Amino acid sequence: NAGVTQTPKFRVLKTGQSMTLLCAQDMNHEYMYWYRQDPGMGLRLIHYSVGEGTTAKGEVPDGYNVSRLKKQNFLLGLESAAPSQTSVYFCASSQRQGVNTEAFFGQGTRLTVV
Amino acid sequence: TQLLEQSPQFLSIQEGENLTVYCNSSSVFSSLQWYRQEPGEGPVLLVTVVTGGEVKKLKRLTFQFGDARKDSSLHITAAQPGDTGLYLCAADSWGKLQFGAGTQVVVTP
Repeated sequence: NAGVTQTPKFRVLKTGQSMTLLCAQDMNHEYMYWYRQDPGMGLRLIHYSVGEGTTAKGEVPDGYNVSRLKKQNFLLGLESAAPSQTSVYFCASSQRQGVNTEAFFGQGTRLTVV
Repeated sequence: TQLLEQSPQFLSIQEGENLTVYCNSSSVFSSLQWYRQEPGEGPVLLVTVVTGGEVKKLKRLTFQFGDARKDSSLHITAAQPGDTGLYLCAADSWGKLQFGAGTQVVVTP
């Protein structure tokens, strides 16, 4: 049972570099999310997707882009990394059947921008 | 301002004590979830509450959804070191699943 898999698990970037974080889920879920987690701030929603080919902005979308070309994959891109984007990034997926909106999370990606 | 306000931010107690964590909002929700997160891991769902006034029990954990469906509480009876973790409440708003800032609970032997 793979569930939600994030790659990479760790990354160090220099300011101005770009990178893509990959999230893959094998549960055939429609909804996928990208969050960042910083000390004392819980999980803040960056972008989300309600289905293949659709994306929407969350609470903190600036500096990030996303794509959902395939149902099972949700990519998070940083075009020009900044130190303020140092964080732990979590991807999640859910099926949202009625009031059941349980989200399943990946193990996280720890990103440091120097 | 966050959609969901959690209090307290941090709670440190001795094994065997009781604790309560709160999740409040000015919005009404169709359901609310509680997750627990351990270091180096993603959050894991504990419970979903759906009906106003609902009380759900999960072993020593008791979850309550406010009558107006704007707030919720998590009560742990006789806490154990294994209850240590970050407790997060979450609500779905038109497909956006948003979380509170969390309550860090530390239970010492």
